[in-house]
Amino acid sequence: GQQLNQSPQSMFIQEGEDVSMNCTSSSIFNTWLWYKQDPGEGPVLLIALYKAGELTSNGRLTAQFGITRKDSFLNISASIPSDVGIYFCAGQGGVSGTYKYIFGTGTRLKVLA
Amino acid sequence: EAQVTQNPRYLITVTGKKLTVTCSQNMNHEYMSWYRQDPGLGLRQIYYSMNVEVTDKGDVPEGYKVSRKEKRNFPLILESPSPNQTSLYFCATRREGPREQYFGPGTRLTVT
Repeated sequence: GQQLNQSPQSMFIQEGEDVSMNCTSSSIFNTWLWYKQDPGEGPVLLIALYKAGELTSNGRLTAQFGITRKDSFLNISASIPSDVGIYFCAGQGGVSGTYKYIFGTGTRLKVLA
Repeated sequence: EAQVTQNPRYLITVTGKKLTVTCSQNMNHEYMSWYRQDPGLGLRQIYYSMNVEVTDKGDVPEGYKVSRKEKRNFPLILESPSPNQTSLYFCATRREGPREQYFGPGTRLTVT
């Protein structure tokens, strides 16, 4: 089945640094979603993007819906230890249909205090 | 409190023994979906339901069944589990309109 290319797969950063990750697809989506998953828990929604070019913030997190509708970016500013976890992007709509969601393989973030 | 619940949270079973994982939501959401999560593969959609009595296949439906007889419940059925169905399973819901999904806490299934 279709999957999104998410990068990097993992990253170690120092506390206070900024973090960037992205997702790319070979097909377009109508919605991009970003989730964070802590160990032993379900993914929690961070940001939802609905329009090409849209830039949305949620606290220290900022995400963008790419102009081509085939990519999205998530930035975390001034990282803190609780940012540790796995971050997933998800695409919805477009050729996959209104009710299907395609997830990236995740970016594992580790923050060094 | 708005929530999605799954039961059981952990299950170890043997090949071929039928099992059901339940998912229940109290948000009156029309849409519900099941995913499996495997290392290196992210989340893959198994089945989804747009409303009561309306279901459709996701990307990896083989070996699974679902039913949606009432809005709040969406059970996942494994008629004859096999070891390759060992995975972490998540149920998710969304309301009509907005496309954000909300996930349950997960069910870790091991089939020996």
